[in-house]
Amino acid sequence: QKEVEQDPGPLSVPEGAIVSLNCTYSNSAFQYFMWYRQYSRKGPELLMYTYSSGNKEDGRFTAQVDKSSKYISLFIRDSQPSDSATYLCAMRLNTGNQFYFGTGTSLTVIP
Amino acid sequence: DSGVTQTPKHLITATGQRVTLRCSPRSGDLSVYWYQQSLDQGLQFLIQYYNGEERAKGNILERFSAQQFPDLHSELNLSSLELGDSALYFCASSEKGLWDEQFFGPGTRLTVL
Repeated sequence: QKEVEQDPGPLSVPEGAIVSLNCTYSNSAFQYFMWYRQYSRKGPELLMYTYSSGNKEDGRFTAQVDKSSKYISLFIRDSQPSDSATYLCAMRLNTGNQFYFGTGTSLTVIP
Repeated sequence: DSGVTQTPKHLITATGQRVTLRCSPRSGDLSVYWYQQSLDQGLQFLIQYYNGEERAKGNILERFSAQQFPDLHSELNLSSLELGDSALYFCASSEKGLWDEQFFGPGTRLTVL
């Protein structure tokens, strides 16, 4: 079983839709949770960073962590064609530094 | 543009061959990380260097090796290449060796025929 599971999609939505991207994980010791956005032919870039459970909002993006269910989500409101990318979740333990990444979900927002 | 540069952008080679991928970190960054990204495995951490010393090791095969030079650029050497080594190889850098502050380069696409 992989440490981090992520539905690869692809996910296709109309412009303006609310998008929900999700990851599940097996290691209850994960404490830090990240979302990266990766445009085609580019490296990943950090989008959101959260610690432990709860919600974090940044503009149109909301990251949600449910540690009891070992489930994290990224919500994108009022999605735009420029949001079309692959979204990777990542997480790490409280001790040590290594990140564990999901395989990524490919999102296309159709104008 | 993250400030991390990687060369070459694309590399096509044959099985059994050896290649070297190069990474120049952002100015001032002391730490370099190498990742392999394939469709089925996602982004896999290979190895981290900090100021010339190996800091952390991930799922790096014995056929692969890396080093970080005094000028802080890094090279990833892949030998006895197999078809399954075809992937995107990313380098990332951070100032103090903190994973949370990684900036990724554009990647090198390796195709093994």
